Amino acid sequence: QQQVRQSPQSLTVWEGETAILNCSYENSAFDYFPWYQQFPGEGPALLISILSVSDKKEDGRFTIFFNKREKKLSLHIADSQPGDSATYFCAAMLSGSFNKLTFGAGTRLAVCP
Amino acid sequence: GGIITQTPKFLIGQEGQKLTLKCQQNFNHDTMYWYRQDSGKGLRLIYYSITENDLQKGDLSEGYDASREKKSSFSLTVTSAQKNEMAVFLCASSIQLGGQNEQYFGPGTRLTVL
Repeated sequence: QQQVRQSPQSLTVWEGETAILNCSYENSAFDYFPWYQQFPGEGPALLISILSVSDKKEDGRFTIFFNKREKKLSLHIADSQPGDSATYFCAAMLSGSFNKLTFGAGTRLAVCP
Repeated sequence: GGIITQTPKFLIGQEGQKLTLKCQQNFNHDTMYWYRQDSGKGLRLIYYSITENDLQKGDLSEGYDASREKKSSFSLTVTSAQKNEMAVFLCASSIQLGGQNEQYFGPGTRLTVL
């Protein structure tokens, strides 16, 4: 079964718009949620992360909104740029699990100029 | 800074063949990981190692062996390649077990089985 789900599978936005990527999870014990960004031909790289004690985390144009009760989170990319075109993975981790991450299937984002 | 190197970058094998993928990191990280990435399925953990000579099975360990010969290297063996298999194998490392420590990924090895 898939413990971390992402939607949509792919998303296209215009330059300057806000892209919204969604993630939900099943295990209520998960308490750390990193988002990774992957460009074609490269490995994923950490973009931004949030702990379950917070409901929002901002880093420049990137913001995570977290709803613990509904077990949902979303990544908002403000003022999207063509260089943001990549695949974004939501992941979840249980503290004390030796850094074992459970990944979603990813959202492929295309930003059109 | 540091880097994770994976070799080879591309690997073409025959059905039933035993194939070995190698990973080196110079971060001096304790923990290393092997993931398999299939199109549309995200990353799935195959094996991880919390220190030299340690091995822990992930969710997808069947059909694979791994070896942590020294702190800086972690190899993965596909014990019998499956026909028409195509996937990217990603190696990662992190500074310590526990806590919320970033995993750094290598560029991947792309496997094709004929």
